[in-house]
Amino acid sequence: EVQLVESGGGLVQPGGSLRLSCAASGFTFSSYWMSWVRQAPGKGLEWVANIKQDGSEKYYVDSVKGRFTISRDNAKNSLYLQMNSLRAEDTAVYYCARTEPSGSYRYWGQGTLVTVSS
Amino acid sequence: DIQVTQSPLFLSVSVGDTVSVTCRTSQDIGTYLAWYQQKPGNAPKLLIYAASTLQSGVPSRFSGSGSGTEFTLTIRSLQPEDIATYYCQQLDSFPPHAFGQGTKLEIK
Repeated sequence: EVQLVESGGGLVQPGGSLRLSCAASGFTFSSYWMSWVRQAPGKGLEWVANIKQDGSEKYYVDSVKGRFTISRDNAKNSLYLQMNSLRAEDTAVYYCARTEPSGSYRYWGQGTLVTVSS
Repeated sequence: DIQVTQSPLFLSVSVGDTVSVTCRTSQDIGTYLAWYQQKPGNAPKLLIYAASTLQSGVPSRFSGSGSGTEFTLTIRSLQPEDIATYYCQQLDSFPPHAFGQGTKLEIK
């Protein structure tokens, strides 16, 4: 059974940093692109970043470029999102998702809440 | 960047209705589009990919159509468990793999 479990969310002050993790199981992690998607409270879905199977390609939404870094450790079946210089508008539930060959996101984690507030 | 526009944003529906949600993109994306259903407190669920291919396990009352810049999600004979918010997502080019704004279904 495919499982994605996010962790690392919490309350952080503006300007602070946080590292999210996504533990994957039930599939060959190194064979899939992986993505982060976020959802601010009461708002819609926003694609944040994705990373190729071997980590050689990474892409970001403009609003997080230079502040967030996506990475993966295929030996540990884990996906990460390092978030620096956090802003109030980064407050959201962050989901990790597996990207299928079709490009769609078939499997999602349960999400982890990041709150940026003083 | 490819812009994705959904309409309507809210839809008041009754059980048994046929419901249609439209997604328009600012550039031709072929059939690189997916539809998701999200219920409060839950992660999104993939319904349709490649514009019209039903994900395994999704009821056949859900269907997708369209190509290029205009796409439609149709729900026939709406059931109570279909009350949710629906999102489209363009998958042709990134960054970003943008989502539409979402369409929230509410019971009339």
